[in-house]
Amino acid sequence: DIQMTQSPSSVSASVGDRVTITCRASQDISTWLAWYQQKPGTAPKLLIYAASSLQSGVPSRFSGSGSGTDFTLTISSLQPVDFATYYCQQAFSFPLTFGGGTKVEIK
Amino acid sequence: QVQLVESGGGLVKPGGSLRLSCAVSGFTLIDHYMSWMRQAPGKGLEWISYISTSGVTKHYADSVKGRFTISRDNVKNLLYLQMNNLRAEDTAVYYCARDRGDQLNWFDPWGQGTLVIVSS
Repeated sequence: DIQMTQSPSSVSASVGDRVTITCRASQDISTWLAWYQQKPGTAPKLLIYAASSLQSGVPSRFSGSGSGTDFTLTISSLQPVDFATYYCQQAFSFPLTFGGGTKVEIK
Repeated sequence: QVQLVESGGGLVKPGGSLRLSCAVSGFTLIDHYMSWMRQAPGKGLEWISYISTSGVTKHYADSVKGRFTISRDNVKNLLYLQMNNLRAEDTAVYYCARDRGDQLNWFDPWGQGTLVIVSS
């Protein structure tokens, strides 16, 4: 199974800050990676797929990069609605696996 | 609009069974791969099962293999998850989700989830 490791597990940031979350795969997954945002009590929402493609309707302040084993989700200027938990997910092979999540909290 | 609505969750004793349903609308089910994920209270996301458009190909996480069965009815626009021999560690919110339209295994949208509690 492919293990997905996210860091940090939590980050405190202020509105307007640039926030970077990393995700590392235990083996090469090319660009078979997605990022999701989840707010408390709600279902996850797809932000990024294929490592760097922005899902329709997602603000352009979100961006993804990386390939192989190392990936990054960047929020260029954090907005109040962005405080949430973010998950990466590999789509390279079954079983599909998620990272442990990164909680973005208000500083 | 595209909508997925799960139902069938509830309280069940260890060793018991439940069948979850996911009713879809706003799109043609047969065009999409479908999966079930779950999230234990206060924990992260876990993918548990996948089914191809025709229903022929299925995959399961090791944690549920042999106990859970995924199926679909493309005419009724329904996805199912039959859960047998439930354990306390199966307690979670269960989500159904659709591939984003490209028949690849990233998911959008997800349903709102249905809570399963396994407890005596």
